[in-house]
Amino acid sequence: AQRVTQPEKLLSVFKGAPVELKCNYSYSGSPELFWYVQYSRQRLQLLLRHISRESIKGFTADLNKGETSFHLKKPFAQEEDSAMYYCALLYSSASKIIFGSGTRLSIRP
Amino acid sequence: NAGVTQTPKFQVLKTGQSMTLQCAQDMNHNSMYWYRQDPGMGLRLIYYSASEGTTDKGEVPNGYNVSRLNKREFSLRLESAAPSQTSVYFCASSEGQGSNTEAFFGQGTRLTVV
Repeated sequence: AQRVTQPEKLLSVFKGAPVELKCNYSYSGSPELFWYVQYSRQRLQLLLRHISRESIKGFTADLNKGETSFHLKKPFAQEEDSAMYYCALLYSSASKIIFGSGTRLSIRP
Repeated sequence: NAGVTQTPKFQVLKTGQSMTLQCAQDMNHNSMYWYRQDPGMGLRLIYYSASEGTTDKGEVPNGYNVSRLNKREFSLRLESAAPSQTSVYFCASSEGQGSNTEAFFGQGTRLTVV
């Protein structure tokens, strides 16, 4: 079955420390993966997509098909990174998007 | 540009009552989605509509029905609300095709069933 797994419900790190939010997926086809972020009192919004291989707000994510992972990383955490982060998988043939259970990132000053 | 608009923002229902959550998008998107957000469970897909005239079940469709009224509007109906349906509901839309597909979300509807 297709699935997105985020094993950490909460991740708390100090400002300036590296951050890694884990995401693993299960999908028989070629995956299209995304990271979405929800800041306090704001709408859920796209952070980055694997196909673009971009860095947004210092975050990067690399698709590892061998490990079926798409972990989100940032070398130096900032307080404004505190938010809820969701990993998402798109079934492009069906236009269907499923999300993981989310990880709440808390950056301590 | 309003994007994705959901109504209402808050609702309290008694067990057994029915209601419809409304969603409209003004981005000419093909695909629309309904999710529920629960603590520890993340976002779970209830129903989606890949294009106008089609609807499909998601991960947790039981207790819900949907209508894709036209390209802009996608409503979610609870026929007989249960306390287990207490949640925050999000509507989203996307172009639906291609690896650059981005989902745009509404502000959410906080529903409490007592």
